[in-house]
Amino acid sequence: DAGVIQSPRHEVTEMGQEVTLRCKPISGHNSLFWYRQTMMRGLELLIYFNNNVPIDDSGMPEDRFSAKMPNASFSTLKIQPSEPRDSAVYFCASTPNSDTQYFGPGTRLTVL
Amino acid sequence: TQLLEQSPQFLSIQEGENLTVYCNSSSVFSSLQWYRQEPGEGPVLLVTVVTGGEVKKLKRLTFQFGDARKDSSLHITAAQTGDTGLYLCAGGPPSRSNYKLTFGKGTLLTVNP
Repeated sequence: DAGVIQSPRHEVTEMGQEVTLRCKPISGHNSLFWYRQTMMRGLELLIYFNNNVPIDDSGMPEDRFSAKMPNASFSTLKIQPSEPRDSAVYFCASTPNSDTQYFGPGTRLTVL
Repeated sequence: TQLLEQSPQFLSIQEGENLTVYCNSSSVFSSLQWYRQEPGEGPVLLVTVVTGGEVKKLKRLTFQFGDARKDSSLHITAAQTGDTGLYLCAGGPPSRSNYKLTFGKGTLLTVNP
């Protein structure tokens, strides 16, 4: 199994630009999570999908952030417009509806 | 809001030493998980404990879940350089109505040769 796949692995952009992060969960997993990790705040849950439906988006920081899951094998997290304080590592994780979450390698985002 | 506090935040030891890291909360969790994260990678699950007082061993690693299911500890015997990484604890919701986990900020362990 390929595991959770995220792209790109690194993204450097300028303030105000749109950023799109992509995730392919493990086949057969019903739930998908987007997290943001920083030294100051640790690993924060942004949004959680179950069977492609957003269940809890209370962690999305503001309207500049949006996430979609058009099908069971693909999800995107979009930031528009991006700001320097959005710089972080963004992780996608999936689970077959159990306690175990399988994380992707992350996307390191730098907003200049 | 459920919070998990991990201590210490940073730990640097020599190879061969023993260590214990802690994960504490005022909230009850249905389960408690420990993950290890290496630089440039995502967290990887080490163990899940679900019963109050439960102890699990994984080679040189010993995990314990508190009797009240509010805290946990991870003990490493004879640490090796390969144990270096960020250790994260994560709690499952008490109602088990969803699969959200609450993560602590982690303990960054460095094992020096």
